Amino acid sequence: KAGVTQTPRYLIKTRGQQVTLSCSPISGHRSVSWYQQTPGQGLQFLFEYFSETQRNKGNFPGRFSGRQFSNSRSEMNVSTLELGDSALYLCASSRSSGGGQETQYFGPGTRLLVL
Amino acid sequence: QKEVEQNSGPLSVPEGAIASLNCTYSDRVSQSFFWYRQYSGKSPELIMSIYSNGDKEDGRFTAQLNKASQYVSLLIRDSQPSDSATYLCAVNVKNNFNKFYFGSGTKLNVKP
Repeated sequence: KAGVTQTPRYLIKTRGQQVTLSCSPISGHRSVSWYQQTPGQGLQFLFEYFSETQRNKGNFPGRFSGRQFSNSRSEMNVSTLELGDSALYLCASSRSSGGGQETQYFGPGTRLLVL
Repeated sequence: QKEVEQNSGPLSVPEGAIASLNCTYSDRVSQSFFWYRQYSGKSPELIMSIYSNGDKEDGRFTAQLNKASQYVSLLIRDSQPSDSATYLCAVNVKNNFNKFYFGSGTKLNVKP
């Protein structure tokens, strides 16, 4: 079974631009979560989508948004990029079948550099 | 108080020794517990999950859970230099759908 895939793997943008990152979950997984990872802050939860609905949201400004499509693929968008948005953005998927014992599997990440 | 706390390390052990990584969590309704390994520049890779009190063994790895003490640990036996990485502890809270809380990670160095 293929793992979680993320595109692109690397991005260089300048301040003020916007960026869209894509994530395809493991087949059969309906939940997609996004995380930002920086050396100073560690893994920080951005949001989680399930059945095209945002179920959870972390403490990030409104410049960070996301969506999920009917095939469970998800995108996240960051508008008006700031230098501090430079980070590794990780997507994780889980089955979320309601059994309670959920396991998240991570994609390879998208490394974003804002200049 | 953070939901999940880990000692940032680095924890240094000689090759062949047992590495012991610890994690405490604050939410008593936490249901599922995970250990991820993350090599520098890579994404986290799931090592083990544990849901019940006690020990769970998988090869050289043993996860230990004590819900009364809100404590989960990971033991790595016969540590190898290839085990050198950052180990992230994660907790899934039962009443919050799929929200996972991650610790800041413990950096492990295994010296040849």
